[in-house]
Amino acid sequence: QKEVEQDPGPLSVPEGAIVSLNCTYSNSAFQYFMWYRQYSRKGPELLMYTYSSGNKEDGRFTAQVDKSSKYISLFIRDSQPSDSATYLCAMGTSYDKVIFGPGTSLSVIP
Amino acid sequence: DAGVIQSPRHEVTEMGQEVTLRCKPISGHNSLFWYRQTMMRGLELLIYFNNNVPIDDSGMPEDRFSAKMPNASFSTLKIQPSEPRDSAVYFCASMRVGSNQPQHFGDGTRLSIL
Repeated sequence: QKEVEQDPGPLSVPEGAIVSLNCTYSNSAFQYFMWYRQYSRKGPELLMYTYSSGNKEDGRFTAQVDKSSKYISLFIRDSQPSDSATYLCAMGTSYDKVIFGPGTSLSVIP
Repeated sequence: DAGVIQSPRHEVTEMGQEVTLRCKPISGHNSLFWYRQTMMRGLELLIYFNNNVPIDDSGMPEDRFSAKMPNASFSTLKIQPSEPRDSAVYFCASMRVGSNQPQHFGDGTRLSIL
């Protein structure tokens, strides 16, 4: 079992849809959780980060952590074509010891 | 503010040649990371530095790979001799330890070894 698992997609949704991206992990010591967005031929861009459990909201984006289930999610409301990218979850015992998921490719169709 | 700056953006070279990738971290950041990204293996940590000192190089695949950080604003990743299987996108990231903020990435170097 890999330490971090993520549905690779591709995920294709119509503009305006709510998108749910998910990752599961196996290491119960992980306390730091991140989501990065990566456009084609660009570097991963930090989208959201949170420590421990709970929800965090930033505009159309909500990050959710369920440590009891070892499951994290990123929700995108009112999805836009500009949200089309690969989304990488990342987690670790600190921000410098981080494991990345393989990424989910998302396409938002106008 | 300038982000992490990597050069070159693209490198195409022949097998056996030496390759040097360069990175300038964000000013004020004291940790620097080198990653490699491939379709098969995703994003893998190669090595990271804290205050210019290598802390963990367990991800460096072979002795052909070496990394240096001579000062707080510059790092290199060198491959000598290069092989076709080294073809990948190499990313540099930086962060400030103790800031409670994650790593920020550069836009990578796309390396092709023929």
